Amino acid sequence: EVQLVESGGDLVKPGGSLRLSCEVSGLTFSNAWMSWVRQAPGKGLEWVGRIKSKTDGGTTDYGTPVKGRFTITRDDSKSTLYLQMNSLKTEDTAVYYCNTDSLVRNLWGQGTLVTVSS
Amino acid sequence: DIVMTQSPDSLAVSLGERATINCKSSQSVLYSSSNENYLAWYQQKPGQPPKLLIYWASTRGPGVPDRFSGSGSGTDFTLTISSLQAEDVAVYYCQQYYTTPFTFGQGTKLQIK
Repeated sequence: EVQLVESGGDLVKPGGSLRLSCEVSGLTFSNAWMSWVRQAPGKGLEWVGRIKSKTDGGTTDYGTPVKGRFTITRDDSKSTLYLQMNSLKTEDTAVYYCNTDSLVRNLWGQGTLVTVSS
Repeated sequence: DIVMTQSPDSLAVSLGERATINCKSSQSVLYSSSNENYLAWYQQKPGQPPKLLIYWASTRGPGVPDRFSGSGSGTDFTLTISSLQAEDVAVYYCQQYYTTPFTFGQGTKLQIK
């Protein structure tokens, strides 16, 4: 069974930093392109960014609101995806989901809550 | 960024009736060389992560009931539920994956009338 488990969500002050993790099991993580999507409380889905597999270049792309502040990385030896969030703003408050960036096998975690507030 | 606009924002349909949700993109998401539309539909039930229903605008995902269908091309797309079931109550989102940043519509809340 494939599992994606996010962790690291917390309450953080504006301007602060936080790193989220997404541990993946049940699939060959090193081959997977992975994404982060967020959802502010009571709001819609927002694409945060994605990272390709290393064999496909390992490159990253980001949504406009987070570009330059957020960084997606991966550790294939640990089957873990990361989201480093810097210069956090109140509008970054959301549940953050990791998911496999695949059409035929599109799998999601349950999400982790990040709250940015003073 | 490509802007995705869904209509309506909310919809109430009787059980067994047809539900139709529209999605319009600010530019074409049809990739001419493959003749594929880079458009997906997701379903999100309360307290759950999204579930991919449709990709390439009209291809159902694994295990998706055939009452769900997608249509359209270029900039205008439709998700149709042919006979609404109680378990279809959810928020539905379209998403373009034609170019990054991939963008979602604002969502359409589907309820039972």
